[in-house]
Amino acid sequence: KQEVTQIPAALSVPEGENLVLNCSFTDSAIYNLQWFRQDPGKGLTSLLLIQSSQREQTSGRLNASLDKSSGRSTLYIAASQPGDSATYLCARLNQAGTALIFGKGTTLSVSS
Amino acid sequence: GAVVSQHPSRVICKSGTSVKIECRSLDFQATTMFWYRQFPKQSLMLMATSNEGSKATYEQGVEKDKFLINHASLTLSTLTVTSAHPEDSSFYICSVRGARTEAFFGQGTRLTVV
Repeated sequence: KQEVTQIPAALSVPEGENLVLNCSFTDSAIYNLQWFRQDPGKGLTSLLLIQSSQREQTSGRLNASLDKSSGRSTLYIAASQPGDSATYLCARLNQAGTALIFGKGTTLSVSS
Repeated sequence: GAVVSQHPSRVICKSGTSVKIECRSLDFQATTMFWYRQFPKQSLMLMATSNEGSKATYEQGVEKDKFLINHASLTLSTLTVTSAHPEDSSFYICSVRGARTEAFFGQGTRLTVV
């Protein structure tokens, strides 16, 4: 069974801190992994996509890495801001390579 | 990235009635769209894959007669929750797959059945 686990479930940090969100998955035959942001009651915003041939992707203050051998991905957020407060979801493609399998997310709160 | 528009964003309906949710791909043609459901504090779970011009593919445990999916054009898929009950109250969200298999999502629909 393909599963995605995210740790921690919740995280509170003061503004300015660098932080790491973790995502682990079973089945190292991963096709790609995608990180999303979800604000309360809202849809999902795609942050970063890492394809299986890649090891990391960067966008602004965000950096996501993928280690297929260990079944892990991390999302690094530099110099966190209150506006970063949201739930962060990681997801991998299912075995058919079509739809996504999601973790439960990490809810981040950045205080000013 | 792809732009996906979902409507309505929020709906309250009486138990036993039906509700239709629309998902539109605004800037590219999507032969396939995906419908997910999210219960409070849970992961998004795939409900069904909507295929343009053919029947949808439903995940195990999802009743196809209750959740009717129509994908009549390359830019529009609809999900109709028939004879809704309070246990159907959830957050429903659609997705399309763009270039490089990147997934893009609509704004979601919060359904409350009273």
